[in-house]
Amino acid sequence: KAGVTQTPRYLIKTRGQQVTLSCSPISGHRSVSWYQQTPGQGLQFLFEYFSETQRNKGNFPGRFSGRQFSNSRSEMNVSTLELGDSALYLCASSLQAGGNTGELFFGEGSRLTVL
Amino acid sequence: GDSVTQMEGPVTLSEEAFLTINCTYTATGYPSLFWYVQYPGEGLQLLLKATKADDKGSNKGFEATYRKETTSFHLEKGSVQVSDSAVYFCALSAYGNNRLAFGKGNQVVVIP
Repeated sequence: KAGVTQTPRYLIKTRGQQVTLSCSPISGHRSVSWYQQTPGQGLQFLFEYFSETQRNKGNFPGRFSGRQFSNSRSEMNVSTLELGDSALYLCASSLQAGGNTGELFFGEGSRLTVL
Repeated sequence: GDSVTQMEGPVTLSEEAFLTINCTYTATGYPSLFWYVQYPGEGLQLLLKATKADDKGSNKGFEATYRKETTSFHLEKGSVQVSDSAVYFCALSAYGNNRLAFGKGNQVVVIP
């Protein structure tokens, strides 16, 4: 069974540009969450999507956005990039049944460097 | 807000030693608690979980008990192996959803 796939794995952007990251969840998983991982702040929740609807949103500015498609694939977008957006962006999928809450399957991440 | 605190700094120990990683939490209500592990070059994986007070989660020789009175969820393993070298993250879900609050993680290095 294929795991969570994130693309691209590495990318370099300059300040002011925008970036789109993609996540394909495990087959059958309908919930997709995004996290930002940095050495200083650790892992921070960005947002969660389920059945194409955003269910939760973390404390990030509006420059961070996302969406989910009917096949459960998800994308996140960061506009007007800042140096502080350099991070590993992790996608996680979940069955999202009641008893499985919090049981996330993570991808290997997309490492974004902003110059 | 909801938060998780892990002990500072990496943990280095010899093979077959006893491992403890401390985790305490602050949350409203009755959160679910998790330990995730990140092996070198891999994504985070769920190691174990507990959903209510006094529950013990266990997997691969690791154990953690949900202690409501001390708001703790310490991870333990009686005899570590080199293959246990990884980064370990404690996390909580406070509202029954997938919005997890993570601790900063602890690098564990097991020396042969």
